Parts: sequence; structure tokens; C-alpha cells
Amino acid sequence: DAKTTQPNSMESNEEEPVHLPCNHSTISGTDYIHWYRQLPSQGPEYVIHGLTSNVNNRMASLAIAEDRKSSTLILHRATLRDAAVYYCILGTGNQFYFGTGTSLTVIP
Amino acid sequence: EPEVTQTPSHQVTQMGQEVILRCVPISNHLYFYWYRQILGQKVEFLVSFYNNEISEKSEIFDDQFSVERPDGSNFTLKIRSTKLEDSAMYFCASSAKTSYGQGTGELFFGEGSRLTVL
Repeated sequence: DAKTTQPNSMESNEEEPVHLPCNHSTISGTDYIHWYRQLPSQGPEYVIHGLTSNVNNRMASLAIAEDRKSSTLILHRATLRDAAVYYCILGTGNQFYFGTGTSLTVIP
Repeated sequence: EPEVTQTPSHQVTQMGQEVILRCVPISNHLYFYWYRQILGQKVEFLVSFYNNEISEKSEIFDDQFSVERPDGSNFTLKIRSTKLEDSAMYFCASSAKTSYGQGTGELFFGEGSRLTVL
């Protein structure tokens, strides 16, 4: 499975932007970059995905490096409800392998 | 909003017993998955299922595990003879498409079934 590297934890103040980094230097040309999050005691939840171009949706933005070896999930204004573990996953084949993710703490 | 539903939410069983976990995927989805998460650990892929057969499976998904789509709506995970180490949260997910070079897949996860093996 294609590997991603994320910081174990990050903190953000409420209502400030958050940039969650992910390195995926072994990404292949057909891999999509997916982000999921897992709120406490819940199942994983889709956040956003992209291939080469930056992507925006109602939840977040995804900035993908030109060489695709890294990406950044951007939460524009963190809220307390955004406190979760965020997973960066490369979509290869018919399964998604979750890593350990980044645990985001949002400080009121 | 359509959602994936799982039953039971919590099951306690004795070691060696058979367990069936049930999932109702989103109705127009074609791809189905089981994941598990042992307490405090990462989410682990077990198996994916498409067109009434297993597409891919992980090393965890050994002969003790099986999946089935018995009718047009349910997707089940059976553990034949449970072990203590099978205690975990089991998540079902479904997707309309995959990212298998054919498009992009967005997985919708259920709330999970907690299995406790005593």
C-alpha cells in the first residue's frame, strides 16, 4: 500500500485556519489523494479528494504540490466540531489503507 | 441524506462463537467494504466486495472471516469462531465508484458495530 506521512498531532485556535500536511513521496501517477476524518466515537467521514489540481468543497480545501509528493488539507476556520483525527490516504485499487493520521485539537 | 446503517451497535460474545455483523449500504452503491478498528489503534482494511465477489482482502481477512450479500440490501461480515483479538469496532462502508483508475471513490462509513469477545 502506498504510504503517507503525517504529523501525529496539531493544535489550532478556534476560528483560525488550519493547514494539515501530508507527505506521499511514493505516489504513483494514478493515485488519488483522499482525506478522511474521524470524530471521537464515530466512523470515518469523507472530507475531500483530488488528483492534481487544488480542490475546494464546503468542508475544506486541498492543495496539492506540483510534483504531487505532498498535499495540504486546509480548514479555513476551525471550529470545535473539527476536532478529529485526519487521515491522508492514497487511493490505490479497490481499498483505502488508513495510517495513524493527525489528531487535531481545537482550542477555544 | 442517505447513510450506511449497521447492526448491532454492540455485541458481546464468548470466544469461539460465531458472529454476524450486518450492514445496509446506501441503495445505489455498488462497492462495499469492511474495516475494523481495535481500541486506540488505526482503522484497518479487511475486505472489499463488488459484483457479488471479493475484490480485495487484507492479511487480516483469513479463513475465519467471510462476507456475503444475501439479498439486494444487506451486506454481512461473519466471523466463524471469534478470538479475543477480534474485539474491535467494525465499520462497513459503501461507495458508488472506486478510484481504481476509473474515477474517484468516496466511501460512506456506518457508525460501526462494537464487538467484544470474552
